[in-house]
Formats: sequence, structure tokens, C-alpha cells
Amino acid sequence: QVQLQESGPGLVKPSGTLSLTCAVSGGSISSSNWWSWVRQPPGKGLEWIGEIYHSGSTNYNPSLKSRVTISVDKSKNQFSLKLSSVTAADTAVYYCARVVVPAAPAHWFDPWGQGTLVTVSS
Amino acid sequence: QSVLTQPPSVSGAPGQRVTISCTGSSSNIGAGYDVHWYQQLPGTAPKLLIYGNSNRPSGVPDRFSGSKSGTSASLAITGLQAEDEADYYCQSYDSSLSGTWVFGGGTKLTVL
Repeated sequence: QVQLQESGPGLVKPSGTLSLTCAVSGGSISSSNWWSWVRQPPGKGLEWIGEIYHSGSTNYNPSLKSRVTISVDKSKNQFSLKLSSVTAADTAVYYCARVVVPAAPAHWFDPWGQGTLVTVSS
Repeated sequence: QSVLTQPPSVSGAPGQRVTISCTGSSSNIGAGYDVHWYQQLPGTAPKLLIYGNSNRPSGVPDRFSGSKSGTSASLAITGLQAEDEADYYCQSYDSSLSGTWVFGGGTKLTVL
């Protein structure tokens, strides 16, 4: 059973870069799945950030595309998120999730990691 | 402002039936893209509840059902139980703005 675990700094300074890693266990990141990041500001709804395939192909939310980089490390069975030029508006719980794509464009998220809170503050 | 619109809150007594709507447009649900539903219990990560409009993953009780028609989708919960109190989100694909996966704003279900 695939499990995901996020890790990274819980506090980032304004204008800095947020960096998180998602470790995948119980399955290979090189399987026929995409891998995604989703965030949730405190008390608010969910926002898709982007996704990556083990080949390195990526898709990003247009609203964040200029600041987001998602990468994959197959040797460590993990993928990562970098979000640059952060502001207080980027404070959120960040989740990683496996993307199930039985046939495009059908696409859902399952399972999810437990999430990690990242606060942007000086 | 979410691309998919959900009521902020719904409520019901134990044993009752409640429905949660998810209203989209011609660039997402109305274009034929599937709708999926997630349950987020307090302080936990979202969990897949319904995929492909009306399919339940293994382990999800048949009290939960989903449907889609036109530019809207609905999640129905019958035989309401206290442990169903949670936030519920719908998700689909939107073909505008270069295409993106979108969520509804979420609905807080309160079991009275």
C-alpha cells in the first residue's frame, strides 16, 4: 500500500524559497502514476500546485507556474517542490499525493500524505 | 473564488440523508470531465471518497454516493452518522487557462 510523507522546513522567510520533499513508500515512483502537490491555507480550501511523472514531465497551475519547480529523484523514490519568492499568502499546509490517471483526462488524487504546515514569516 | 461552487455548510440529524452540490461550467463539469469527491476529517488529510462521478473506492461505505448531470455534480450521504462530520471537496478538470485541476471551495457537514 503506497504511503507518502512530506518533510521540510516549517518556517520560511518572505521572499525566500519554500522547499519540501515527499518520500514514497510501499510502491515505486517509477510506476504509471503522476505525483502531485496540493496546498491548503489555514481555514481555506484546496489548491492544486502541480505534478510530475517519473520521466520528469511536469504540469503546473498557471497561477503559480512562474514560481514553482517540481522535480523527481528516482534513486530515493521521492519528489520535491520548490516555490520561490514566497509571501504570507503562501502560508499553508502542503500535501503530496499520488495521481491516479486510468485514462486522460480522468485524474484523481489517492492517497495523500499527512501534510506539513509551512509558515511564511520573518 | 473557486471555479467549482459548493455550499459552505450543510447539516443533518443522525440517520437522515444530506446532499452536497458542486456547480461548475461549460469548461469543466459541463464539458464532460469527471468529478471526484474527498472527505477531510478534522485535522487530517483529504481522503478519496468518490471517483469518476459515482464510483466508491474499496472501504468506502455504500452510504456515500455520487452523481453528475449537466454542469453540476452531487454527493449524497444516507444514514448520517456522527463520524461523517467533516469537510467535503469536489474536484474536476478545467480546460480554460491552459487547463488545471480544480477543487470546489469545500462544504462543512455538521451532524446535529
